[in-house]
Amino acid sequence: EAGVVQSPRYKIIEKKQPVAFWCNPISGHNTLYWYRQNLGQGPELLIRYENEEAVDDSQLPKDRFSAERLKGVDSTLKIQPAELGDSAVYLCASSPRARTTDGTQYFGPGTRLTVL
Amino acid sequence: AQKITQTQPGMFVQEKEAVTLDCTYDTSDQSYGLFWYKQPSSGEMIFLIYQGSYDEQNATEGRYSLNFQKARKSANLVISASQLGDSAMYFCAMREGRTGGGADGLTFGKGTHLIIQP
Repeated sequence: EAGVVQSPRYKIIEKKQPVAFWCNPISGHNTLYWYRQNLGQGPELLIRYENEEAVDDSQLPKDRFSAERLKGVDSTLKIQPAELGDSAVYLCASSPRARTTDGTQYFGPGTRLTVL
Repeated sequence: AQKITQTQPGMFVQEKEAVTLDCTYDTSDQSYGLFWYKQPSSGEMIFLIYQGSYDEQNATEGRYSLNFQKARKSANLVISASQLGDSAMYFCAMREGRTGGGADGLTFGKGTHLIIQP
């Protein structure tokens, strides 16, 4: 079974430029998460999707961040414009329907963003 | 207050020894889940083990076991017979409650950097 796929793996941009990250979850997983991991820290949740609905985006900085999950499968996270403080690893995770599982989340390899 | 506390920023352990990574948590929910993830230098978060708050027995997965002490709110990870490939960051995480139809996001600790020495 294929795992969570993310692209690109690395991205270097200058501040004020836009950037987008793409995630393809494990087949059949309804729930998708985006996390941000700053250097030396654990991941922090940005947004959670149930199918195509964003059910928890309370930690997403909405002035510059946006996300979408069209058709309830792939998802895109966008930053516009990027700031120096956005340098981090952006992780995507997915899990099957929580009613019948323990809600274990499976992570992709992440996108390491460097803003210059 | 931090919800997940990992008090060991780094640990050095001799190969083949057992190692315990500490994790304490804070929640008022009755239903919650505790997870351990491994993050090697490549960056991917690898799921290791899960313990539900209502599980009476400690979880085990191969060389990994979770020492769950509910009253103390601790969920320590035990790795038996450590190997060089175990060198990595280890994160404890918690999922609080369970909303209808979905799983809440995880709250992570700051991690422990484990180095296995030959």
